[in-house]
Amino acid sequence: DQQVKQNSPSLSVQEGRISILNCDYTNSMFDYFLWYKKYPAEGPTFLISISSIKDKNEDGRFTVFLNKSAKHLSLHIVPSQPGDSAVYFCAASSMDSNYQLIWGAGTKLIIKP
Amino acid sequence: DAGITQSPRHKVTETGTPVTLRCHQTENHRYMYWYRQDPGHGLRLIHYSYGVKDTDKGEVSDGYSVSRSKTEDFLLTLESATSSQTSVYFCAIRGQENQPQHFGDGTRLSIL
Repeated sequence: DQQVKQNSPSLSVQEGRISILNCDYTNSMFDYFLWYKKYPAEGPTFLISISSIKDKNEDGRFTVFLNKSAKHLSLHIVPSQPGDSAVYFCAASSMDSNYQLIWGAGTKLIIKP
Repeated sequence: DAGITQSPRHKVTETGTPVTLRCHQTENHRYMYWYRQDPGHGLRLIHYSYGVKDTDKGEVSDGYSVSRSKTEDFLLTLESATSSQTSVYFCAIRGQENQPQHFGDGTRLSIL
């Protein structure tokens, strides 16, 4: 059973608009969450993270929101740019598993010009 | 960019042959990881290392072994490759706990 789920395999957004990528998890012990971005033929690149003691973390155009009661996190990209087209992975970890990452299956984001 | 080099970048081999993939880092990080990525799945952990000669199994370790004789090198070996091991393999490194992992560019392995 998947502990981390990204239910949308793909998402298409107009350039300049907001992109919202979603991620759900089932393990209440997860206390650290990360988003990675991946281009074809490259490794995943770390984007932004959030600790469970926070409900929001911002870095430039990227904001991650965490709703612990719903076991849900989302990544907002504003404004979306063509270079944001990539596969986005959500990952979760916990201190009691030495922060080993459990990954979602990814969402392919396509930014339309 | 984190100094991580994976070799080879591409390999095609036959069922039953041994295969070794190499991950080399220049960051002196303690933790190193091997993942595989397959369509419809996120990254799945094969093995990881938390120091020289200290390794442990991940979620999908069957058919794989690892070795870490130096801080900078982490080897993944398929003793007798099978077609189900056709995948893209990623190495990652991490310094301290609760820091993000950083990835190499992957090895695309095809087993015919």
